[in-house]
Amino acid sequence: AQKVTQAQTEISVVEKEDVTLDCVYETRDTTYYLFWYKQPPSGELVFLIRRNSFDEQNEISGRYSWNFQKSTSSFNFTITASQVVDSAVYFCALSAKTSYDKVIFGPGTSLSVIP
Amino acid sequence: DTGVSQNPRHKITKRGQNVTFRCDPISEHNRLYWYRQTLGQGPEFLTYFQNEAQLEKSRLLSDRFSAERPKGSFSTLEIQRTEQGDSAMYLCASSLDLGFSYNEQFFGPGTRLTVL
Repeated sequence: AQKVTQAQTEISVVEKEDVTLDCVYETRDTTYYLFWYKQPPSGELVFLIRRNSFDEQNEISGRYSWNFQKSTSSFNFTITASQVVDSAVYFCALSAKTSYDKVIFGPGTSLSVIP
Repeated sequence: DTGVSQNPRHKITKRGQNVTFRCDPISEHNRLYWYRQTLGQGPEFLTYFQNEAQLEKSRLLSDRFSAERPKGSFSTLEIQRTEQGDSAMYLCASSLDLGFSYNEQFFGPGTRLTVL
């Protein structure tokens, strides 16, 4: 079975603080993709990043960084110097080789950045 | 705008009524997906099409739900005899399958359904 767990339901931080959103995934496939999406109050899913299972390099994009560790089946997301505009629900997701057409989403983490 | 579009964006209906949503995929995309997202949860897969053929349906898709993609372009999702539990965001996504292993899905803005 494939599963994505985001243990943090809600997080609140004060603006300019760093925050890490945790994601743990389960799959028996050795080939898979992991994603992070942002969902602002408007409801639209905004794609942030995709990583494949063969690329464990961490990635940085501006204030965003991702830490992929296959040994712990984790794909954590860090926002540095958070801003109010970062307030949203963030979803971690998995698409595995045996069923690429079904993207499995985690339950989401609601991030509130307080000015 | 060449992204995935969905109409309407919001729908309020009374329990027992039928509703239909439309999704227009990115023009050259041959695969189209429907997901449902209930409050406080992540999106869940409902069904997908390869051109006009419906290839897979989730057990979440009860017999009150029917999806079509008659000409392999736009798709409709109909819910008959709506129930309050059908209140959710319905997301559509599309992808281009070239016969390789992985096809990235591009999501639309969703249709938010409220059943009173």
